[in-house]
This record gives sequence, structure tokens and C-alpha cells, in this order.
Amino acid sequence: GAVVSQHPSRVICKSGTSVKIECRSLDFQATTMFWYRQFPKQSLMLMATSNEGSKATYEQGVEKDKFLINHASLTLSTLTVTSAHPEDSSFYICSGTGGPDYGYTFGSGTRLTVV
Amino acid sequence: KQEVTQIPAALSVPEGENLVLNCSFTDSAIYNLQWFRQDPGKGLTSLLLIQSSQREQTSGRLNASLDKSSGRSTLYIAASQPGDSATYLCAVSGSEKLVFGKGTKLTVNP
Repeated sequence: GAVVSQHPSRVICKSGTSVKIECRSLDFQATTMFWYRQFPKQSLMLMATSNEGSKATYEQGVEKDKFLINHASLTLSTLTVTSAHPEDSSFYICSGTGGPDYGYTFGSGTRLTVV
Repeated sequence: KQEVTQIPAALSVPEGENLVLNCSFTDSAIYNLQWFRQDPGKGLTSLLLIQSSQREQTSGRLNASLDKSSGRSTLYIAASQPGDSATYLCAVSGSEKLVFGKGTKLTVNP
């Protein structure tokens, strides 16, 4: 089946630094990628939607200058958390789809801890 | 605005039981419905994808049904095992976004 590889699985960074998270669709072309964050024991919260070659569309309340999303190819999307602060500590998950007929495939998530 | 509701929020059963998880959605104009499981601290694993034109899908001990007109789906798990313990999420796809329910936390006791 379809696989989305997400790296790193865990990262600890110092406050003020930037962190990049990568998601690659291994056996399908992800025309659309989604980025979510999830707080403990809570539902997934959609942060942004990106289509290959286009600027990402951010959900209300998500700072686009803080969470930079790049979807330069049909198999790779990246989320960069810039100038990270402790409140950015969370579980980030990406998801890709090749279109409505194919469903959504999720990455394994990245646990970000900002110290 | 699409809303997805899952009942029950939590379920605890002894090993070997057959069980049903319920999902309902308010807008029947969907492309498909997907059931996922999420283990603690992990991403989502897709279990079953049902297209809007389909009525059910089966994979191993799992069977999911879809009644689009009434806005309902069920996930049937046969002969439950402790390894089935996880949070099960129902999600519907319409227009662009995937809309999730809050999930059912399943615990299967040995």
C-alpha cells in the first residue's frame, strides 16, 4: 500500500532555532500534502494544505511565517518550524493524497520538543 | 460544515468479543470515508477506505460499512485481540479536506 515516510521521528532543539521535518511519498505521487499537529490526548489539528508547486494554504490562527511549508515535488513536502519556542512542542504529522479516489496516507509523526 | 461524530468515545472489552464502532457525518456529499487506527505516540494507520459508491469494505477481521444517505458508517471488529487496542478514527473526505471524528479509544483486555 501507499507509504509516507516522515523524518525525523523525534527531535529536541533549543529555543530560537529552526527545525525541518520531511515527508516523502514513497510509492505514489502526493498531489496534495497536509500538515497536522496533535497535542496529548487531543484530535489532529490541521495546520495547512499544500499542493505541489503552489503556496500552502494555512488554517486560521496558524502563523505562516513561523511554519514554513514547501511542496516542491510530488513526492516531497517539508515543514520548517522557525524560531521554535517551548509552546511549539507538539506531535506533527503529515498526510498525502493522490486525489479523492486514493484516500489519505499518514506519516508516522514527529515528536518535537523545544527546550 | 461537515461534522463527524464517533460513538462510543471509549470501549473496553474482553478478548475474543466482536464489536462495532459507530461513525456519523452530517453532510452526505463525500468522496470517501476512511477508518484509521492510532497507537499512542504514533501516526495514523489506514485500515479501510470506502468510496462513496461502495457500501462496504473488508480486510481480515475488519469490516466497514457505509450508508451515505443516512450519514453513517460502522467498523466491525471480529474476535478482538489485545493488539487491537488503539484509538480508532473515522474520517470523511469532501471537497478538499479530511474531517475527523474525535475517535473511539478501544481497550481489549486479555
